[in-house]
Amino acid sequence: DAGITQSPRHKVTETGTPVTLRCHQTENHRYMYWYRQDPGHGLRLIHYSYGVKDTDKGEVSDGYSVSRSKTEDFLLTLESATSSQTSVYFCAISVPGEETQYFGPGTRLLVL
Amino acid sequence: RKEVEQDPGPFNVPEGATVAFNCTYSNSASQSFFWYRQDCRKEPKLLMSVYSSGNEDGRFTAQLNRASQYISLLIRDSKLSDSATYLCVVNRDTGRRALTFGSGTRLQVQP
Repeated sequence: DAGITQSPRHKVTETGTPVTLRCHQTENHRYMYWYRQDPGHGLRLIHYSYGVKDTDKGEVSDGYSVSRSKTEDFLLTLESATSSQTSVYFCAISVPGEETQYFGPGTRLLVL
Repeated sequence: RKEVEQDPGPFNVPEGATVAFNCTYSNSASQSFFWYRQDCRKEPKLLMSVYSSGNEDGRFTAQLNRASQYISLLIRDSKLSDSATYLCVVNRDTGRRALTFGSGTRLQVQP
């Protein structure tokens, strides 16, 4: 168990509203990631963080922003949700000395 | 062309069968390779790393062919509990440690 939680686990929202997803880890690992998973695309990296206030863009970052003010929390914000952002969002961490990643349980987001 | 390509399946096999999945990757600079397993509506979980010399973990065997840029996973004596989607994963950037995922191959083991 990598000690990763995500909230909310499910959310339905309307187009144009802001949405914030939270990822929380208990192990104080430095690297954290946000991915989205869609049929036929696999998991795609949205943003990642390599420390407090240190973040960078992934391959599908348009329409998303992130913040990391504490080691344990990594927030993903959809400034103005669109239907194309309906997806399953996974947070992940990487552990020192390992090249793999461990994932949270995911957040299912539906934008109407 | 996707960076990591997998046959989506589904592969429908009877219990006890041997099944193999292949995956190809396009970036020859890729450094590390993994197979993840994802159950329906759950998060991906690491199944095994893939080493150049090939490696085995119980009923699972992974192989890497760098020259041809493909990775394989062999499952022997399939169990009902092996039913899942298997994700081929590549790490080509050790700096940021971000992973690149294939879309997955679905396996359904039938009684």
